[in-house]
Amino acid sequence: AQTVTQSQPEMSVQEAETVTLSCTYDTSESDYYLFWYKQPPSRQMILVIRQEAYKQQNATENRFSVNFQKAAKSFSLKISDSQLGDAAMYFCAYSFRGATNKLIFGTGTLLAVQP
Amino acid sequence: DVKVTQSSRYLVKRTGEKVFLECVQDMDHENMFWYRQDPGLGLRLIYFSYDVKMKEKGDIPEGYSVSREKKERFSLILESASTNQTSMYLCASSLTGSGSSYEQYFGPGTRLTVT
Repeated sequence: AQTVTQSQPEMSVQEAETVTLSCTYDTSESDYYLFWYKQPPSRQMILVIRQEAYKQQNATENRFSVNFQKAAKSFSLKISDSQLGDAAMYFCAYSFRGATNKLIFGTGTLLAVQP
Repeated sequence: DVKVTQSSRYLVKRTGEKVFLECVQDMDHENMFWYRQDPGLGLRLIYFSYDVKMKEKGDIPEGYSVSREKKERFSLILESASTNQTSMYLCASSLTGSGSSYEQYFGPGTRLTVT
């Protein structure tokens, strides 16, 4: 069975600094997708970034980038130049082709941004 | 602008009551999902639907049922609410398509308390 593990329940970063959130997963599939979702306090969950497993190049979206290590089954999120609005719960998620877009989520990392 | 709405943000019900949680999306998405979010457990899939009147059990379907009579609406039903169903319930929707995993769009959530 596929599993997603986030080993950091809470993280803290100073404004303007860089922080990396960790995620590992377990799967026997070769074709799959990985996601980072952000859930701000009392607000809707939104997609931050997505990675297709067949792509070797790491995905980047503005200040957000991933380090995708397929062999190690690792998918970390790097947030550069952290802003107060980045404070949120971050979830790593996995989906594989043919799964009708079902997502398997990790337990989440609560990120605090200190001014 | 994509939109997923849920009928209530907060709901308080008594043990044994029948509870209906409604979700509506305006994006003509084929897939709809119901998740339960608990601290330290992340999001767990209760049920999902890939077409009108079609449904599949997720990881924790016990004590729940669903209904999808129209494409835009997906209801979660707690037949006889129990205190262990106190939780945050999130609805999501997505497109479907061969060979791709589409982003899931989430509603704001319903925080259900069963007393």
